[in-house]
Amino acid sequence: SQQGEEDPQALSIQEGENATMNCSYKTSINNLQWYRQNSGRGLVHLILIRSNEREKHSGRLRVTLDTSKKSSSLLITASRAADTASYFCAPNFGNEKLTFGTGTRLTIIP
Amino acid sequence: EAGVAQSPRYKIIEKRQSVAFWCNPISGHATLYWYQQILGQGPKLLIQFQNNGVVDDSQLPKDRFSAERLKGVDSTLKIQPAKLEDSAVYLCASSSPLNTDTQYFGPGTRLTVL
Repeated sequence: SQQGEEDPQALSIQEGENATMNCSYKTSINNLQWYRQNSGRGLVHLILIRSNEREKHSGRLRVTLDTSKKSSSLLITASRAADTASYFCAPNFGNEKLTFGTGTRLTIIP
Repeated sequence: EAGVAQSPRYKIIEKRQSVAFWCNPISGHATLYWYQQILGQGPKLLIQFQNNGVVDDSQLPKDRFSAERLKGVDSTLKIQPAKLEDSAVYLCASSSPLNTDTQYFGPGTRLTVL
Protein backbone atom coordinates (compact mmCIF):
# COMPACT_ATOMS: atom_id res chain seq x y z
CA SER A 1 0.00 0.00 0.00
CA GLN A 2 1.10 3.60 -0.45
CA GLN A 3 2.23 4.63 2.96
CA GLY A 4 5.37 5.36 4.84
CA GLU A 5 6.76 2.91 7.32
CA GLU A 6 8.57 4.35 10.31
CA ASP A 7 11.47 2.69 12.05
CA PRO A 8 12.04 2.04 14.88
CA GLN A 9 8.58 1.53 16.32
CA ALA A 10 9.76 2.82 19.67
CA LEU A 11 12.79 4.77 20.85
CA SER A 12 13.88 5.86 24.34
CA ILE A 13 16.77 8.26 24.86
CA GLN A 14 18.15 10.47 27.58
CA GLU A 15 17.28 14.13 27.55
CA GLY A 16 19.89 16.07 25.62
CA GLU A 17 20.72 13.22 23.27
CA ASN A 18 19.85 13.20 19.59
CA ALA A 19 16.97 11.10 18.25
CA THR A 20 16.88 9.66 14.76
CA MET A 21 13.92 7.98 13.17
CA ASN A 22 13.54 6.67 9.66
CA CYS A 23 10.83 6.35 7.06
CA SER A 24 10.67 4.14 4.00
CA TYR A 25 8.18 4.18 1.16
CA LYS A 26 7.68 2.24 -2.05
CA THR A 27 6.72 4.52 -4.93
CA SER A 28 7.76 7.92 -6.27
CA ILE A 29 6.72 10.92 -4.23
CA ASN A 30 6.10 14.63 -4.72
CA ASN A 31 7.04 15.42 -1.16
CA LEU A 32 7.30 13.82 2.26
CA GLN A 33 6.05 15.30 5.50
CA TRP A 34 6.72 14.59 9.15
CA TYR A 35 4.07 15.06 11.82
CA ARG A 36 4.20 14.84 15.60
CA GLN A 37 1.40 13.61 17.85
CA ASN A 38 1.49 14.19 21.57
CA SER A 39 -0.53 11.80 23.67
CA GLY A 40 -4.25 12.51 23.39
CA ARG A 41 -3.79 15.25 20.82
CA GLY A 42 -4.09 15.77 17.10
CA LEU A 43 -1.16 15.72 14.70
CA VAL A 44 1.07 18.73 14.26
CA HIS A 45 2.89 19.37 10.99
CA LEU A 46 6.66 19.58 11.54
CA ILE A 47 8.35 19.81 8.19
CA LEU A 48 7.86 19.12 4.48
CA ILE A 49 10.65 18.12 2.14
CA ARG A 50 10.11 18.07 -1.62
CA SER A 51 11.36 15.34 -3.90
CA ASN A 52 14.06 17.59 -5.37
CA GLU A 53 15.44 18.47 -1.92
CA ARG A 54 17.97 16.38 -0.03
CA GLU A 55 18.02 18.06 3.36
CA LYS A 56 15.95 20.54 5.28
CA HIS A 57 16.26 22.15 8.69
CA SER A 58 13.76 23.67 11.07
CA GLY A 59 15.05 24.62 14.51
CA ARG A 60 16.29 21.42 16.16
CA LEU A 61 14.85 19.28 13.38
CA ARG A 62 16.81 18.00 10.41
CA VAL A 63 15.15 15.97 7.69
CA THR A 64 16.94 14.16 4.90
CA LEU A 65 15.48 12.54 1.82
CA ASP A 66 17.07 9.93 -0.41
CA THR A 67 14.74 9.31 -3.32
CA SER A 68 17.02 6.63 -4.78
CA LYS A 69 16.59 4.58 -1.60
CA LYS A 70 13.03 5.78 -1.06
CA SER A 71 13.79 6.76 2.48
CA SER A 72 13.80 9.74 4.78
CA SER A 73 15.13 10.40 8.24
CA LEU A 74 14.16 12.83 10.97
CA LEU A 75 16.82 13.95 13.41
CA ILE A 76 15.90 15.79 16.59
CA THR A 77 18.95 17.32 18.21
CA ALA A 78 19.38 18.13 21.90
CA SER A 79 16.16 16.35 22.83
CA ARG A 80 13.84 17.70 25.51
CA ALA A 81 11.13 16.08 27.60
CA ALA A 82 8.55 17.92 25.51
CA ASP A 83 9.71 15.99 22.44
CA THR A 84 8.11 12.86 23.88
CA ALA A 85 5.49 12.00 21.28
CA SER A 86 4.73 9.77 18.31
CA TYR A 87 6.25 10.81 15.01
CA PHE A 88 4.70 9.95 11.66
CA CYS A 89 6.00 10.32 8.15
CA ALA A 90 3.52 10.93 5.35
CA PRO A 91 4.70 10.54 1.77
CA ASN A 92 2.67 12.50 -0.77
CA PHE A 93 2.27 10.66 -4.03
CA GLY A 94 0.95 13.54 -6.10
CA ASN A 95 -2.48 14.07 -4.64
CA GLU A 96 -3.78 15.86 -1.56
CA LYS A 97 -3.97 12.70 0.51
CA LEU A 98 -1.64 11.68 3.29
CA THR A 99 -1.12 8.06 4.25
CA PHE A 100 0.39 7.38 7.63
CA GLY A 101 2.31 4.43 8.99
CA THR A 102 2.20 3.30 12.59
CA GLY A 103 4.73 5.89 13.71
CA THR A 104 7.75 5.97 16.00
CA ARG A 105 6.98 6.42 19.70
CA LEU A 106 9.75 8.57 21.13
CA THR A 107 10.28 8.78 24.87
CA ILE A 108 12.72 11.29 26.32
CA ILE A 109 13.98 10.25 29.74
CA PRO A 110 14.70 13.23 32.03
CA GLU B 1 -5.65 32.11 13.56
CA ALA B 2 -7.99 29.65 15.27
CA GLY B 3 -7.22 26.00 14.74
CA VAL B 4 -9.47 23.13 13.72
CA ALA B 5 -12.20 22.67 16.31
CA GLN B 6 -13.81 19.34 17.12
CA SER B 7 -16.51 18.28 19.52
CA PRO B 8 -17.12 16.40 21.64
CA ARG B 9 -13.64 15.51 22.87
CA TYR B 10 -14.78 12.25 24.39
CA LYS B 11 -17.79 10.01 23.83
CA ILE B 12 -18.78 6.68 25.34
CA ILE B 13 -21.68 4.75 23.85
CA GLU B 14 -23.09 1.25 23.81
CA LYS B 15 -22.77 -0.85 20.67
CA ARG B 16 -25.63 -0.39 18.21
CA GLN B 17 -26.14 3.18 19.37
CA SER B 18 -25.59 6.19 17.11
CA VAL B 19 -23.03 8.95 17.51
CA ALA B 20 -22.10 12.14 15.67
CA PHE B 21 -18.93 14.17 15.63
CA TRP B 22 -18.60 17.79 14.59
CA CYS B 23 -15.69 19.62 12.97
CA ASN B 24 -15.11 23.29 12.22
CA PRO B 25 -12.06 23.75 9.98
CA ILE B 26 -9.74 26.72 9.83
CA SER B 27 -11.44 29.65 8.14
CA GLY B 28 -10.88 29.64 4.40
CA HIS B 29 -9.75 26.03 4.23
CA ALA B 30 -11.60 24.44 1.34
CA THR B 31 -10.47 20.85 1.92
CA LEU B 32 -11.62 18.90 4.95
CA TYR B 33 -10.60 15.39 5.97
CA TRP B 34 -11.91 12.87 8.49
CA TYR B 35 -9.47 10.25 9.79
CA GLN B 36 -9.92 7.27 12.06
CA GLN B 37 -7.01 6.42 14.36
CA ILE B 38 -7.18 3.12 16.19
CA LEU B 39 -4.96 2.79 19.24
CA GLY B 40 -1.37 2.06 18.28
CA GLN B 41 -1.91 2.83 14.59
CA GLY B 42 -1.55 5.83 12.35
CA PRO B 43 -4.55 7.83 11.14
CA LYS B 44 -6.52 6.31 8.29
CA LEU B 45 -8.39 8.57 5.90
CA LEU B 46 -12.13 8.02 5.91
CA ILE B 47 -13.38 10.84 3.69
CA GLN B 48 -12.11 13.97 1.97
CA PHE B 49 -14.28 16.98 1.07
CA GLN B 50 -13.47 19.80 -1.33
CA ASN B 51 -15.86 22.58 -0.32
CA ASN B 52 -19.15 20.67 0.04
CA GLY B 53 -18.34 17.91 -2.45
CA VAL B 54 -16.86 14.50 -1.68
CA VAL B 55 -13.45 13.90 -3.29
CA ASP B 56 -12.68 10.50 -1.81
CA ASP B 57 -14.76 8.26 0.42
CA SER B 58 -13.29 4.95 -0.71
CA GLN B 59 -12.35 3.89 2.83
CA LEU B 60 -15.56 5.00 4.50
CA PRO B 61 -17.68 2.03 5.68
CA LYS B 62 -20.80 3.37 4.07
CA ASP B 63 -23.12 0.81 5.62
CA ARG B 64 -22.70 2.53 8.97
CA PHE B 65 -20.69 5.72 8.49
CA SER B 66 -21.91 8.92 6.84
CA ALA B 67 -20.49 12.40 6.59
CA GLU B 68 -21.67 15.70 5.27
CA ARG B 69 -20.41 19.22 4.75
CA LEU B 70 -23.54 20.95 3.59
CA LYS B 71 -22.38 24.58 3.43
CA GLY B 72 -18.75 23.86 2.67
CA VAL B 73 -17.58 24.83 6.16
CA ASP B 74 -18.52 22.67 9.16
CA SER B 75 -18.74 18.92 8.82
CA THR B 76 -20.44 16.11 10.69
CA LEU B 77 -19.39 12.47 10.78
CA LYS B 78 -22.00 9.98 11.95
CA ILE B 79 -21.83 6.32 12.91
CA GLN B 80 -25.07 4.36 12.99
CA PRO B 81 -25.09 1.74 14.44
CA ALA B 82 -21.73 1.66 16.22
CA LYS B 83 -19.69 -1.51 16.62
CA LEU B 84 -17.01 -2.34 19.17
CA GLU B 85 -14.32 -2.00 16.51
CA ASP B 86 -15.30 1.62 15.92
CA SER B 87 -13.56 2.55 19.18
CA ALA B 88 -10.91 4.99 18.02
CA VAL B 89 -9.95 8.63 17.85
CA TYR B 90 -11.66 10.49 15.03
CA LEU B 91 -9.51 13.30 13.70
CA CYS B 92 -10.60 16.15 11.50
CA ALA B 93 -8.08 18.05 9.39
CA SER B 94 -8.23 20.87 6.87
CA SER B 95 -5.95 22.41 4.29
CA SER B 96 -5.76 25.74 2.55
CA PRO B 97 -6.22 26.11 -1.21
CA LEU B 98 -2.97 28.08 -1.13
CA ASN B 99 -1.09 25.13 0.36
CA THR B 100 -2.86 21.85 -0.16
CA ASP B 101 0.20 19.85 0.91
CA THR B 102 -0.06 20.69 4.60
CA GLN B 103 -2.95 19.51 6.75
CA TYR B 104 -3.90 21.04 10.08
CA PHE B 105 -5.44 18.66 12.56
CA GLY B 106 -7.97 19.15 15.30
CA PRO B 107 -7.58 17.57 18.76
CA GLY B 108 -9.81 14.63 17.85
CA THR B 109 -12.79 12.90 19.42
CA ARG B 110 -12.05 9.78 21.40
CA LEU B 111 -14.89 7.28 20.94
CA THR B 112 -15.33 4.28 23.17
CA VAL B 113 -17.94 1.70 22.18
CA LEU B 114 -18.91 -0.68 24.98
